[in-house]
Amino acid sequence: EPEVTQTPSHQVTQMGQEVILRCVPISNHLYFYWYRQILGQKVEFLVSFYNNEISEKSEIFDDQFSVERPDGSNFTLKIRSTKLEDSAMYFCASSRDRGQGETQYFGPGTRLLVL
Amino acid sequence: SQQGEEDPQALSIQEGENATMNCSYKTSINNLQWYRQNSGRGLVHLILIRSNEREKHSGRLRVTLDTSKKSSSLLITASRAADTASYFCATDYWYGQNFVFGPGTRLSVLP
Repeated sequence: EPEVTQTPSHQVTQMGQEVILRCVPISNHLYFYWYRQILGQKVEFLVSFYNNEISEKSEIFDDQFSVERPDGSNFTLKIRSTKLEDSAMYFCASSRDRGQGETQYFGPGTRLLVL
Repeated sequence: SQQGEEDPQALSIQEGENATMNCSYKTSINNLQWYRQNSGRGLVHLILIRSNEREKHSGRLRVTLDTSKKSSSLLITASRAADTASYFCATDYWYGQNFVFGPGTRLSVLP
């Protein structure tokens, strides 16, 4: 069964460094998403992406964040200058379409720790 | 903003018993989904129920949706120790593209 994959599974970085989290969505899916989950808290929406542009973003997704689909398979989240509070599990998700009956499938997540 | 809220926050039962978790939301939705998350791991999709559906089954899972009460329930029958996890409901609404997750119910199934 096709699945969303994410790399790396864990990343440790120093505050102020840039990180790139990578995702390979399910191949025939058109909508891509990033969510994050701070330890012990809710899963929070960051951004959705369709047709090579951001279609929706939350207030969390500020100028330090960016997303890109550099080729036909990868979908990346870049955090430009990491802060301690960026430590979280980051989930990528994809869906074939939007609307009724359309499931978002989540990847296993990347655990980011900012020191 | 619309938000899913599960209750109870934590539930502890014996193996073989049924577990019921509830989710409430505030605005009209397209879909409601239930996910499972083992400690520190990824989100596993369990069931999607559309706003025009009332009940769905998948194996030992049964999900109901009452749009008049803006609530859903997830029933796990004949629970097993392996069902121990956090369970989240997530809703999407017609004017947005993201799913809004509730805080989850932590289920512990004791052997």
